[in-house]
Amino acid sequence: EVQLVESGGGSGQPGGSLRLSCAASGFTFSNYEMNWVRQAPGKGLEWVAYIRKGGDSIKYADSVKGRFTISRDNARNSLYLQMNSLRAEDTAFYYCARDGPPDVWGRGTLVTVSS
Amino acid sequence: QSALTQPRSVSGSPGQSVTISCTGTSSDVGGYSYVSWYQQHPGKTPKVMIYDVTKRPSAVPDRFSGSKSGNTASLTISGLQAEDEADYYCCSYAGSYTYVFGTGTQVTVL
Repeated sequence: EVQLVESGGGSGQPGGSLRLSCAASGFTFSNYEMNWVRQAPGKGLEWVAYIRKGGDSIKYADSVKGRFTISRDNARNSLYLQMNSLRAEDTAFYYCARDGPPDVWGRGTLVTVSS
Repeated sequence: QSALTQPRSVSGSPGQSVTISCTGTSSDVGGYSYVSWYQQHPGKTPKVMIYDVTKRPSAVPDRFSGSKSGNTASLTISGLQAEDEADYYCCSYAGSYTYVFGTGTQVTVL
């Protein structure tokens, strides 16, 4: 079964950092581009970041550029999102998603930024 | 990176058809054949209903269909059923490995 499982969410303070992880299984992870997508509570979906199969091409939404870093470890079938300089508006469910536009989604992990 | 424009809500009676529009620009919807549609029930993960503008995953009922004309993509639900009541989002490739989602549409079955 194709599966994506996010972890690492929780509470963070403004200006702080959090690191999200996504464990992939059921498919050949290294063959797929990956994305992070977020959804603020009660709001719509927002694309956050993209990483190519080998990690050689990376893109970010303007809203997170310079603060978030996407990375992957194909040997560990894992995707990561390092979130620095957190802001209140980063509060959202963060989804790990395969390919683009995404065809498989994880269940999401909630990040809450509050003082 | 402006969000694609969708109607806030659409509604229909069981058995009727509804169509949701997704309007972008020539830099996203109009420029590529990579538009997907997602269904999201409250508290649930988005589920892909249509990909590559018109293709439907095998598990998705054929009541769901997609199309595109110019800078506007559309999702049509024929023979509306109670379980179709959900939020729907479009997503388009926007070039240079970036993506953009629509503003979302709430579908209500009357």
